[in-house]
Amino acid sequence: DIQMTQSPSSLSASVGDIVTITCRASQSIANYLNWYQQKPGKAPKLLIYAASNLQSGVPSRFSGSGSGTDFSLTISSLQPEDFATYFCQQSHSTPPTFGGGTKVEIK
Amino acid sequence: QVQLKQSGPGLVKASQTLSLTCVISGDSVSRNSATWDWIRQSPSRGLEWLGRTYYRSKWYNDYALSVESRITINPDTSKNQFSLQLTSVIPEDTAIYYCARFFRNFVDYWGQGTLVTVSS
Repeated sequence: DIQMTQSPSSLSASVGDIVTITCRASQSIANYLNWYQQKPGKAPKLLIYAASNLQSGVPSRFSGSGSGTDFSLTISSLQPEDFATYFCQQSHSTPPTFGGGTKVEIK
Repeated sequence: QVQLKQSGPGLVKASQTLSLTCVISGDSVSRNSATWDWIRQSPSRGLEWLGRTYYRSKWYNDYALSVESRITINPDTSKNQFSLQLTSVIPEDTAIYYCARFFRNFVDYWGQGTLVTVSS
């Protein structure tokens, strides 16, 4: 299975900050990388697919980049509703696998 | 708008079978370009993909190796739903279970989640 490693596991930030989360795959996955946001008690929500494509309805302050093994999710100006946990997920190979998550907390 | 609605018991005794159903509205379980998956989430294991069913001229299943000997995912075209059965459960199977639609290699729709507790 392809292992997905996210960093950091948690971070504290303020409204308006730029936040970057990274995800590393244990082998090359081209651009088969997706990002999800999860709030407490809710299912994950798709933000970015195929490394850099913004899902319909997702604010443009979210962006994704990377290919191969190294990827990042950037929030350009953190908003109160963005405090949540973020997961990466690879879809290059079966089984699809997820990163361990990054919890974004209020500073 | 696609909706996935899960049902099933939230408490299962160890060694018994966990059974969950996911009813699909706004799409078809027989859609040729999607897969219908089960994913679980726990503090110890994170988000863990369990398996999928999908139709590509005939029905296929893929299962995670970690549960391959215990899992069955079945489509039901007459009710437009799919189900999960996990046999011989142990306390470590305690998790929130989600049904999900994979489309173009990403999950675009999730069920509401079901917390299943395995009691010893």
